[in-house]
Amino acid sequence: QVQLLQSGSEVKEPGASVKVSCQTSGYIFTNYAMHWVRQAPGQRPEWMGWINAGNGNTKYSQKLQGRITIIRDTSASTVYMELSSLRSEDTAVYYCARDGAGVPAAVWGWFDPWGQGTLVIVSS
Amino acid sequence: DIQMTQSPSSLSASVGDRVTITCRASQSISSNLNWSQQKPGEAPRLLIYGASNLQSGVPSRFSGSGSGTDFTLTINSLQPEDFATYYCQQSYNTPLTFGGGTKVEIK
Repeated sequence: QVQLLQSGSEVKEPGASVKVSCQTSGYIFTNYAMHWVRQAPGQRPEWMGWINAGNGNTKYSQKLQGRITIIRDTSASTVYMELSSLRSEDTAVYYCARDGAGVPAAVWGWFDPWGQGTLVIVSS
Repeated sequence: DIQMTQSPSSLSASVGDRVTITCRASQSISSNLNWSQQKPGEAPRLLIYGASNLQSGVPSRFSGSGSGTDFTLTINSLQPEDFATYYCQQSYNTPLTFGGGTKVEIK
C-alpha cells in the first residue's frame, strides 16, 4: 500500500533552517507530484508548495517564496522540504501529501494520502 | 488568493443524524473542490475530490455536491467515527487554500 513516512520532530531556534524528509513506498514515485502542507496549532492547513517528482519542477506559495526549497531524490523515493530563516510563526505540524494525479507532469491539487506529520517548534 | 469560507464552524449532532456542511469560494472554482476529514492528532484524510467524487475506501454515507462558488458536504446517518473536523479545499489555482473547518461534535 502507499505509504509516506516523515522524519521526526524538530526544535529550532529563530533564524535557523529545518529540513523534513518524506520517504515514500508502494507506488511509482516519479508518476506523482508531492505537496507540502503545514498546520499551526488550532489553525486551518496551509499549502506550502509542490514538486513534480518526475522532472523536479516546483511551485511554491508566494508567501514562502525565498525561504522554502523542495527537492526529491528519485533513487531513494524521498522528497525533502527545507524552510529557512525560521520564526516563531513557523511552529506547526508539517505534512507531505501526494497529489491525486497519477499521470506524469500532471498536478490536480488534491491530496491523498498524507504523511503522518512532523512537528517543528521554533523557539529560543 | 481564493478565500474559502465554511459554515457552520461547529455543530452538535447525534448518531444517525444527517449533517450538512457548506463551503463558499470567493470566486468561481468550477468543480475544483475537495473535502477532507481530520481527527485530533491525525493527518487529514481525503473524502471527496472534484466536488462530488467519493475517494476509494470512503463510506457511501459521505457525498458532495455543488459547483461554481457554493458546495456542500453531506453525511447521511452519522456514525461515531465521523466526529471530527471537516475542511474544504480548492484546487482551482495556487495557492491552494482551505476553509476554516467545521467541527462535528457529539450532542
